[in-house]
Amino acid sequence: EADIYQTPRYLVIGTGKKITLECSQTMGHDKMYWYQQDPGMELHLIHYSYGVNSTEKGDLSSESTVSRIRTEHFPLTLESARPSHTSQYLCASSELGGNGYTFGSGTRLTVV
Amino acid sequence: RKEVEQDPGPFNVPEGATVAFNCTYSNSASQSFFWYRQDCRKEPKLLMSVYSSGNEDGRFTAQLNRASQYISLLIRDSKLSDSATYLCVVKGGTGANNLFFGTGTRLTVIP
Repeated sequence: EADIYQTPRYLVIGTGKKITLECSQTMGHDKMYWYQQDPGMELHLIHYSYGVNSTEKGDLSSESTVSRIRTEHFPLTLESARPSHTSQYLCASSELGGNGYTFGSGTRLTVV
Repeated sequence: RKEVEQDPGPFNVPEGATVAFNCTYSNSASQSFFWYRQDCRKEPKLLMSVYSSGNEDGRFTAQLNRASQYISLLIRDSKLSDSATYLCVVKGGTGANNLFFGTGTRLTVIP
C-alpha cells in the first residue's frame, strides 16, 4: 500500500486550462518535492518544501506553483496549461535529515 | 556539465549473467550516493545506498570511488525481474537541497 499518493494518474487537458496535481503522504515527512521527467530523460526538481509554509523553486524553471498548508499535502498548480507542460510529474517525500526519498506513482500530463 | 552522468545503455544480457553499471558525478563535495530502480512508466524506488567502503545486498554490490568521482553497481546472476532502468543518484554538498538523478541505464535481461 502506497504511503504517498498522487492524483490523477493520467490527465489530458486542453491548452489554457488551470490544473492542480495532488500529492499527499501519510508518513509525516517534513520534506516534499516535485520532479518533472520526460520519457527517457532524468528527473528534474521543480519545487520543494521543508515543511508547512515553506516552498522553494528547484533547479528547473517551471511555470507551476506549489503550496504547503498542511504537512501531508503538497499540491502543484498550473494556471494556464500549455503543450510544453506535457510531461510526467513525480512527487516525493523524505524525513528531515533523511536520505531516502519515497516517490508517488506520478501524474502523466498531456496538454493538447 | 551534468551533475550525474550515466551510460544510457541499453544493456541486453542473458539470464545468469553479471552486469556492471558506472556513473560519474561532478560535485566533489557530494555527500551521499544511491542507486534507484525505475520500471517502465513507474516511479523510482530506492535500490540501495552506496557507502565509501562498498556494500552488498544479495546479488547487488555497490561501490564508491571518491577520488575518481564514480559509483558502480554490479548485479550478479541476473534475473528476468532485474529488467528496469537503474538511476544513479547523488546528494549534493553542504546545504544541498535535493538529489541529482542521472538519466538512468536501461537493463534488459533476456531468457
